[in-house]
Parts: sequence; C-alpha cells; structure tokens
Amino acid sequence: QVQLVESGGGLVKPGGSLRLSCAASGFTFSDYYVSWIRQAPGKGLEWVSYISNSGNTIYYADSVKGRFTISRDNARNSLYLQMNSLRAEDTAVYYCARMGGGLDYFDYWGLGTLVTVSS
Amino acid sequence: SYVLTQPPSVSVAPGQTARITCGGNNIRSKSVHWYQQKPGQAPVLVVHDDSDRPSGIPERFSGSNSGNPATLTISRVEAGDEADYYCQVWDNISDHWVFGGGTKLTVL
Repeated sequence: QVQLVESGGGLVKPGGSLRLSCAASGFTFSDYYVSWIRQAPGKGLEWVSYISNSGNTIYYADSVKGRFTISRDNARNSLYLQMNSLRAEDTAVYYCARMGGGLDYFDYWGLGTLVTVSS
Repeated sequence: SYVLTQPPSVSVAPGQTARITCGGNNIRSKSVHWYQQKPGQAPVLVVHDDSDRPSGIPERFSGSNSGNPATLTISRVEAGDEADYYCQVWDNISDHWVFGGGTKLTVL
C-alpha cells in the first residue's frame, strides 16, 4: 500500500533552518510527481512546492520562494524540503503528497510533521 | 493569482443532502478536486477531475462542475461525514496549485 512518512519537524527560532524528509513506499517513487503542502494551526491548506519525477521541474509558492528548496532522491525513495530563513508564519503541519492524474491533484498524503517557528 | 471561494460552514441533518460550493473565475474551464479532512488527520481525496471518485470512496460523494460554482454533493449524510472539505485546482497560468479556504460540514 502507498505510504508517505514525513520527519524532521520541530521547534526552531526565527531565522533558523530545518530540513524535512518524506519516505515513500508501496509504489514506484521515481514515476510520480510529488509536492509539499502545509497547514497552519486552525487554518486551511496551502500548497508549498512541487517537483517532477525526474527533479528537472520545480515550482514554489510565492510565500516560500527564495527561502525553501525542494529536492528528491529517487534511489532512496525520498523527498526533501530545506527550509531557511524561517518565519513565525511558516509554523504549520507540513504534508508530502503524491500527485495523481499527471499534474492536477494529490491522491495520497502523509500524516504530516509539525514545524514550529518561535523564539 | 487564482482564488477559490468556499462557504465557511454548511450544516445538514443526518440522511439529508449536503452541497458544498467552490467558486472561481471561469472555473468551468478547470478540473476541480475535493478533499475531506477530519480533525487531527491528513486530507483524503474524495473527488477528482470534477466528478470522479477514487476507489473506496462511497457513491454518496459526487461532484459537478457545469458552471460557477463547482459543487461537492454528499447524499444521505452520516455523522461520520462531519469534516472540513477543501476544493482545489491547478492554475496553469502561474503553475501553482490552489486550495479553497475550506468548508466545515456539521451534521446536526
């Protein structure tokens, strides 16, 4: 069965850095596009970043562009999100999600990892 | 950037039909997808490409996008359907994926 397991969340001070990981299993990871999506406490869903199956195409939300870097290692079936210059408004649960239908929607989600940015 | 508008809340009695709307500029030209999120859980895809259901999703969940707004319809609502529901589209102009603000479905 498809599984996505995020890790790496925690408490970090404003201006600090954190690297999230997502371990994929139950499907051929290298065949799928994947994304990071976040949800601030008590708020809605916000798409953060996308990476194509080969890693050649990458997109970012305007709110994180220049601060976050998405990457993947298909040999390790893993997705990453390097987060720098963190702000209080980056506090959220971060989900990795597999993309179905080519490019359009997210058919499987992990359980998420909580990132808290606070002094 | 593209904006999707959902009502903050919808209430319905058990056994009745719930309709959750999702409005956006020329939304008819886009594929609309819907997610259910229960408290403390990750979102689950319930409808994709306007009206298709993933395997395992009950037939009670259906979607339409024949005009503005797009609509998620839940027939014969059960207590277990109480959740937040989000619509989503891909904006091919900005290459961004956009979510609506979410609708809290309350089963009375």
